[in-house]
Amino acid sequence: DGGITQSPKYLFRKEGQNVTLSCEQNLNHDAMYWYRQDPGQGLRLIYYSQIVNDFQKGDIAEGYSVSREKKESFPLTVTSAQKNPTAFYLCASSMAGVPKETQYFGPGTRLLVL
Amino acid sequence: EDKVVQSPLSLVVHEGDTVTLNCSYEVTNFRSLLWYKQEKKAPTFLFMLTSSGIEKKSGRLSSILDKKELSSILNITATQTGDSAIYLCAVAGDNNRKLIWGLGTSLAVNP
Repeated sequence: DGGITQSPKYLFRKEGQNVTLSCEQNLNHDAMYWYRQDPGQGLRLIYYSQIVNDFQKGDIAEGYSVSREKKESFPLTVTSAQKNPTAFYLCASSMAGVPKETQYFGPGTRLLVL
Repeated sequence: EDKVVQSPLSLVVHEGDTVTLNCSYEVTNFRSLLWYKQEKKAPTFLFMLTSSGIEKKSGRLSSILDKKELSSILNITATQTGDSAIYLCAVAGDNNRKLIWGLGTSLAVNP
């Protein structure tokens, strides 16, 4: 079945540690996105990528990094520079071109700091 | 600055009630407005409204876009406990294909 997968479901980070969240899609979508969701704050865009080997910062990119080496994959690294990483992280994808703005979401990864 | 505002932020109703959720926007070069339902995990897509498709309906859910008032409503009739969720509104404008998200309306349907 086509869809978006994220792993792991839960992730624990120690102080000073970098961690990487996985996002894979087999929908043949061109664009992929990473969001952070905190209680009462809605979805905030971290990074997005419209084509392979290219990505742009979203509204809260500080302390995060991404890569887009393959169309299917868009991993997110939460670096030690991100001082408040505890949140629910959502990956999404969409087809390129107007009016195909509809984004489809993976099941999310909940990141907790030890 | 582009923004999307949803109201109310939270709502509690009884099963069988009808609810109306609101979404207003100020977005440069509006292209479309999207509604999503989020239960415990990922948001799931409900509707997309555009200038050429201002009204959508699926079962007990319906949505209308008012381009003059820069707003949309999501109606849910005969609510059920399974409708309990956060309902998110997002708008696509002219901004490098990013969606502008509202904070959501948290709906609780009590039996």
